[in-house]
Amino acid sequence: KQEVTQIPAALSVPEGENLVLNCSFTDSAIYNLQWFRQDPGKGLTSLLLIQSSQREQTSGRLNASLDKSSGRSTLYIAASQPGDSATYLCAVGYYSGAGSYQLTFGKGTKLSVIP
Amino acid sequence: SQTIHQWPATLVQPVGSPLSLECTVEGTSNPNLYWYRQAAGRGLQLLFYSVGIGQISSEVPQNLSASRPQDRQFILSSKKLLLSDSGFYLCAWSVRLAAGELFFGEGSRLTVL
Repeated sequence: KQEVTQIPAALSVPEGENLVLNCSFTDSAIYNLQWFRQDPGKGLTSLLLIQSSQREQTSGRLNASLDKSSGRSTLYIAASQPGDSATYLCAVGYYSGAGSYQLTFGKGTKLSVIP
Repeated sequence: SQTIHQWPATLVQPVGSPLSLECTVEGTSNPNLYWYRQAAGRGLQLLFYSVGIGQISSEVPQNLSASRPQDRQFILSSKKLLLSDSGFYLCAWSVRLAAGELFFGEGSRLTVL
């Protein structure tokens, strides 16, 4: 059974700092990996999708990397801003034994960027 | 562009009452549809997914059920709510026959008293 772990559970940084969020998964037979952002009481916003054949994806100040063999992904946020404060979720996409595509989520990292 | 709508946004229901949460997707056809639940202190849990009208797969045994009466409509129901059904319910869609990005709605907060 695929398990996804995100460390740390919470992180507080001063504005302007570069930071890294970590995600690990137990089964390397994944199809892709997706990073989401969730604001309090809101739905999930997709940030980046990395296919299993890719090493990284970039969008603006965000860069996500994937090392499938070691079961790890990182989300790098450059020059953090107070508006980046949110919970960041990692989700691993794979095909189940029944042949359906599914996502397994980590519990998230709650980020607070202090002005 | 594609959009996804969920309603109601918040709901407070007594134990034993019925439930109906609705989700609709616009701007796409034949999407895969998903219902997830997010409980306090826990990760998102997949409840149901659907690859087409009337095709529902359940991931977790429970007193909830799902239906897809139309291509872009997904409904989560219960005949009798339990306290443990409280949580944040999220509907999502993805392009059919493609293992790609999931796009989520704004969620429905259910409190069972």
